[in-house]
Amino acid sequence: NAGVTQTPKFQVLKTGQSMTLQCAQDMNHEYMSWYRQDPGMGLRLIHYSVGAGITDQGEVPNGYNVSRSTTEDFPLRLLSAAPSQTSVYFCASSYWGTGATGELFFGEGSRLTVL
Amino acid sequence: GDSVTQMEGPVTLSEEAFLTINCTYTATGYPSLFWYVQYPGEGLQLLLKATKADDKGSNKGFEATYRKETTSFHLEKGSVQVSDSAVYFCALILSGGGADGLTFGKGTHLIIQP
Repeated sequence: NAGVTQTPKFQVLKTGQSMTLQCAQDMNHEYMSWYRQDPGMGLRLIHYSVGAGITDQGEVPNGYNVSRSTTEDFPLRLLSAAPSQTSVYFCASSYWGTGATGELFFGEGSRLTVL
Repeated sequence: GDSVTQMEGPVTLSEEAFLTINCTYTATGYPSLFWYVQYPGEGLQLLLKATKADDKGSNKGFEATYRKETTSFHLEKGSVQVSDSAVYFCALILSGGGADGLTFGKGTHLIIQP
């Protein structure tokens, strides 16, 4: 029962470095998304995708890129890390389209610190 | 836009106490409503949901009723345990789904003391 798998679980970066957070799901979900969780802010949507080759911006997309080349994978790229991107990042997936309930399945999170 | 408002806490209770976490929402359509729970060091997981007015969702002793007239979805449990200590998120999604996914409240940190 793998579900949604995120790697790495922890990462420390220096300002200006780049990195990719990986997300993979084995439930054949069309919809995938990335959230960041910050104290007092709840969860905020960064980017999402409703299928391979389709991505769109969420509430806080600046500083992040995504791509969706396969149904299973949805990596999140930080091109030039900034201290404001210190956060816990969650990948989530769900069914999409007719009959979908909106229930999201979450990964365990990736804690990123930018110095 | 759509929004969810919930008490942020922390809420501290003794074991076996009655729990209520308030959640109210604003939405332009007819949303489905959810409660998610996040245990320490883990991701969010669905606790319960309701898809239409007057529906009651229930799971693990928790209950919440979809009240359209008061736009609320309060979470209740009759007797909490130390293992219920977690962060609880109320969330909504418009019927038919929204590509921008769930709208979350800011989360309520619940602490249960033995």
